[in-house]
Amino acid sequence: DGGITQSPKYLFRKEGQNVTLSCEQNLNHDAMYWYRQDPGQGLRLIYYSQIVNDFQKGDIAEGYSVSREKKESFPLTVTSAQKNPTAFYLCASSQAGGPLNEQFFGPGTRLTVL
Amino acid sequence: AQTVTQSQPEMSVQEAETVTLSCTYDTSESNYYLFWYKQPPSRQMILVIRQEAYKQQNATENRFSVNFQKAAKSFSLKISDSQLGDTAMYFCAYRDNYGQNFVFGPGTRLSVLP
Repeated sequence: DGGITQSPKYLFRKEGQNVTLSCEQNLNHDAMYWYRQDPGQGLRLIYYSQIVNDFQKGDIAEGYSVSREKKESFPLTVTSAQKNPTAFYLCASSQAGGPLNEQFFGPGTRLTVL
Repeated sequence: AQTVTQSQPEMSVQEAETVTLSCTYDTSESNYYLFWYKQPPSRQMILVIRQEAYKQQNATENRFSVNFQKAAKSFSLKISDSQLGDTAMYFCAYRDNYGQNFVFGPGTRLSVLP
């Protein structure tokens, strides 16, 4: 089955530690995205990537980093510089060349800082 | 920058009745794409319906339909014959013609009551 996987589903981190969230897709999509969702809130864009080895900052990139070494993978690292990292993180992908194509979303990772 | 507004943070509807969720957006583009996404308690984001701005005809998907008013920059979602499974957060989203990025509204929490 084609889709997007995110792991782990739940993640706990101690203050001052970096942590990496995994996102993998087998949809052959060019574009991938990371969003943050706080309780009762909408989605805020952290980073996005249209092609391999290229990515752009979104609205709230501070304290986060990404890499796009492979088309199917777009990991997100939450660094110790992120002051309030506890949130729900969603990864998405879409075909970069077709604006009507919707984003497909993974199941999300809930990150809690202890 | 484009913005998307959903003025109803929460709504409720009786099972089998009809409800309309509002969405307005701001853009200077003439062609773009609009989407409604549903996020049930599982938190998996699911596409409900989509609309191309240059198409006059309102999109329809089974019990879901939109009222697209381009001049007013309004994109409301109508859910007919509401079902308990429609209980979810609903997000309105905008994508420009170049497909570079999505902009999401803050969401409307819909509760379908038995």
